[in-house]
Amino acid sequence: QQPVQSPQAVILREGEDAVINCSSSKALYSVHWYRQKHGEAPVFLMILLKGGEQKGHEKISASFNEKKQQSSLYLTASQLSYSGTYFCGTKTPSGNTPLVFGKGTRLSVIA
Amino acid sequence: EPEVTQTPSHQVTQMGQEVILRCVPISNHLYFYWYRQILGQKVEFLVSFYNNEISEKSEIFDDQFSVERPDGSNFTLKIRSTKLEDSAMYFCASSAQGETYEQYFGPGTRLTVT
Repeated sequence: QQPVQSPQAVILREGEDAVINCSSSKALYSVHWYRQKHGEAPVFLMILLKGGEQKGHEKISASFNEKKQQSSLYLTASQLSYSGTYFCGTKTPSGNTPLVFGKGTRLSVIA
Repeated sequence: EPEVTQTPSHQVTQMGQEVILRCVPISNHLYFYWYRQILGQKVEFLVSFYNNEISEKSEIFDDQFSVERPDGSNFTLKIRSTKLEDSAMYFCASSAQGETYEQYFGPGTRLTVT
């Protein structure tokens, strides 16, 4: 069951903030965030684990609400380099389950 | 900085032909993955591989697909008889210790089936 991301697309001016949401209908073990620029491979941003542990870049912040099965990625003071498609991937607690990605949120930062 | 590499960058093949996509994961990583991404769509999981065997595979990964780690460095994805709908970007990824660690993606192989 793939996670649902919102919004599907957002346009920001440099310096503005954005929040990208990811929600699942299933209980989650972890949420992974990746950014993909056009024509390139996805690049790791952050992992949020059940229990509160986080691993990722210092300049990226995110939250994981285990009860609501939701995660949000916070992009503050956006820069042109933040443009790309942001994917969340989710893993459920049951056994050896793969990472399932959402459809992505296309972020465009303009000058 | 170590990176995942993939070859070729672009493969064009005729329907029904076999293709082998190659990946060299980061050297000390233990978990390996293949994903595909149809143009403009989301990244889809195909298969994960650990300790020389498949640990998980998706519904997409049917009998036409196989993976192998023929030596200590390469990780390959074989599609036995390609179909038009196999046209996509195929990404290899590796991670140090599996589930709770970040996956590093290679640059991808664009497969075009004509």
